[in-house]
Amino acid sequence: DTAVSQTPKYLVTQMGNDKSIKCEQNLGHDTMYWYKQDSKKFLKIMFSYNNKELIINETVPNRFSPKSPDKAHLNLHINSLELGDSAVYFCASSLRTSGATDTQYFGPGTRLTVL
Amino acid sequence: AQKVTQAQTEISVVEKEDVTLDCVYETRDTTYYLFWYKQPPSGELVFLIRRNSFDEQNEISGRYSWNFQKSTSSFNFTITASQVVDSAVYFCALSGGNAGGTSYGKLTFGQGTILTVHP
Repeated sequence: DTAVSQTPKYLVTQMGNDKSIKCEQNLGHDTMYWYKQDSKKFLKIMFSYNNKELIINETVPNRFSPKSPDKAHLNLHINSLELGDSAVYFCASSLRTSGATDTQYFGPGTRLTVL
Repeated sequence: AQKVTQAQTEISVVEKEDVTLDCVYETRDTTYYLFWYKQPPSGELVFLIRRNSFDEQNEISGRYSWNFQKSTSSFNFTITASQVVDSAVYFCALSGGNAGGTSYGKLTFGQGTILTVHP
């Protein structure tokens, strides 16, 4: 009965590789997000999707591409991985289209290590 | 742009002490929402509370209480009679509520406060 789930939990890869992180929510929420937490624990939004439509796209390198096959899933694909991409990536979801008013619930995080 | 400042980087207390985590925010939105999240050593982010900008009532939930003061742009969090299980990183966050604004729907997080409760 996990609310927001992410796979994998840990991801270790070499520089230059392409990798994906998957996120699924079973809360029936309309809006999903990706956040990045760096080594100093700072959390910053990357993207948000509402019902499969991109609504927030922060200043993120083009190597990062979110994909939402349906409103319950938001995957993050990263091309040509760099050392600086090492971080914990959190997926989150919130109930309504007007995401500002609703609480965002987070997944367990995916720790990405680029060697 | 909005900003959240948690001035206390780390706090260390002994079990049963009360502890207050400070949070100061900046926003140009007339409507906004404030949150606290807990990140225990296991790494997940756990939602604790949401407060609307038009509701300045303080809130208590068990050993947790929150003091929202719009006049000083602060949303402080107090844990009464702290326990070892309270050890975690605590984040204060802000979301803009003005539709069409640049902060609408985005959670801006503070830097986090590492709380360590010793037995």
